[in-house]
Amino acid sequence: DTEVTQTPKHLVMGMTNKKSLKCEQHMGHRAMYWYKQKAKKPPELMFVYSYEKLSINESVPSRFSPECPNSSLLNLHLHALQPEDSALYLCASSQGLAASSYEQYFGPGTRLTVT
Amino acid sequence: GQSLEQPSEVTAVEGAIVQINCTYQTSGFYGLSWYQQHDGGAPTFLSYNALDGLEETGRFSSFLSRSDSYGYLLLQELQMKDSASYFCAVRDRDSGNTPLVFGKGTRLSVIA
Repeated sequence: DTEVTQTPKHLVMGMTNKKSLKCEQHMGHRAMYWYKQKAKKPPELMFVYSYEKLSINESVPSRFSPECPNSSLLNLHLHALQPEDSALYLCASSQGLAASSYEQYFGPGTRLTVT
Repeated sequence: GQSLEQPSEVTAVEGAIVQINCTYQTSGFYGLSWYQQHDGGAPTFLSYNALDGLEETGRFSSFLSRSDSYGYLLLQELQMKDSASYFCAVRDRDSGNTPLVFGKGTRLSVIA
């Protein structure tokens, strides 16, 4: 199984809502990532978990809160977002963080619209 | 820090060969990856070069010259389904916290 799944596929939320994005992989990968991607731009790294511990936080606003409940799951909790946060949110995984981060498996993404 | 340069758009004819170049500037280069992303889809890993030379995988090949800080992705026998964005990405020892840094992407359009 080389699949990374993400739910929901689409999400529309108001600026006062709280929602969560979910990501799951069963490849035994120990590194998991959250990226944000705007149209016609490259993926922009937000967070990295390695062995279920937050390894990297790329100065992301606190209205985005990641969580890694176990080695297969990754969540992104959203609260008080702004319209400019509307984007495609991609989850990815790799075998590890160091030597094998060059090959990442991406999920299909959650298309988020903040109204 | 790092910087990557790749053309923003390339157009090629079905059945032809196209080369997408990527030049990079890093202080501690490990390797160069290539990803494909169709509109509305997720990035998909294509190849990785850590050493100089050509790596071939079916219709796609990737080349690296570490001395020139340059690589390219070569797509042969182009098909309409190859129309997508292609990103080069570097692994860099001195990239701080970021394990993989993506270029801005090249949008390939394959025409009949």
